[in-house]
Amino acid sequence: AQKVTQAQTEISVVEKEDVTLDCVYETRDTTYYLFWYKQPPSGELVFLIRRNSFDEQNEISGRYSWNFQKSTSSFNFTITASQVVDSAVYFCALSEYNNNDMRFGAGTRLTVKP
Amino acid sequence: DVKVTQSSRYLVKRTGEKVFLECVQDMDHENMFWYRQDPGLGLRLIYFSYDVKMKEKGDIPEGYSVSREKKERFSLILESASTNQTSMYLCASSLIGAQGNEQYFGPGTRLTVT
Repeated sequence: AQKVTQAQTEISVVEKEDVTLDCVYETRDTTYYLFWYKQPPSGELVFLIRRNSFDEQNEISGRYSWNFQKSTSSFNFTITASQVVDSAVYFCALSEYNNNDMRFGAGTRLTVKP
Repeated sequence: DVKVTQSSRYLVKRTGEKVFLECVQDMDHENMFWYRQDPGLGLRLIYFSYDVKMKEKGDIPEGYSVSREKKERFSLILESASTNQTSMYLCASSLIGAQGNEQYFGPGTRLTVT
């Protein structure tokens, strides 16, 4: 069965600090996909990134970076030089090959203070 | 621009009422999903549909039913609303297939059952 754990319930940082959001997953499949979504106060989940299980290259997009490590079943998300607009709930999710559904973690609420 | 819309942002209903939540997507996606979001629990899948008139139970289908008569529309029905169904309900859609397609979300409906 697939499972996603986000152990950090809430994180609070001061603007310009770097922050890492942890995500640990469980799956028996060898082919799977990992996602990060952002849910700002408006409520709508916004897709940030997808990685497949065969691509362990880290990815950087502006201030965002993702570290995928199959050895530890982790897919962590780092925001560099955080800004107040980064305040949101962030969800990590897992989808297995041939499954149309997706399993979400409990989410991490990030608050960035000015 | 991709769009998933939900009929109401906020809804207040009484215990025992029949409640309809509507979701419409304009992306010609085959898959549609209904989740509920509760603090500390993340998103939990209620039902999903991979085609018109097709449906599959998710993790928490009890007390809910769904209807998909047209490809673009997916309705969630609470047959007899109860207070424990007070929650945020999120609709999503995605392309079908085994490619780990990301889901696109609507803004959510916050339902309160009194």
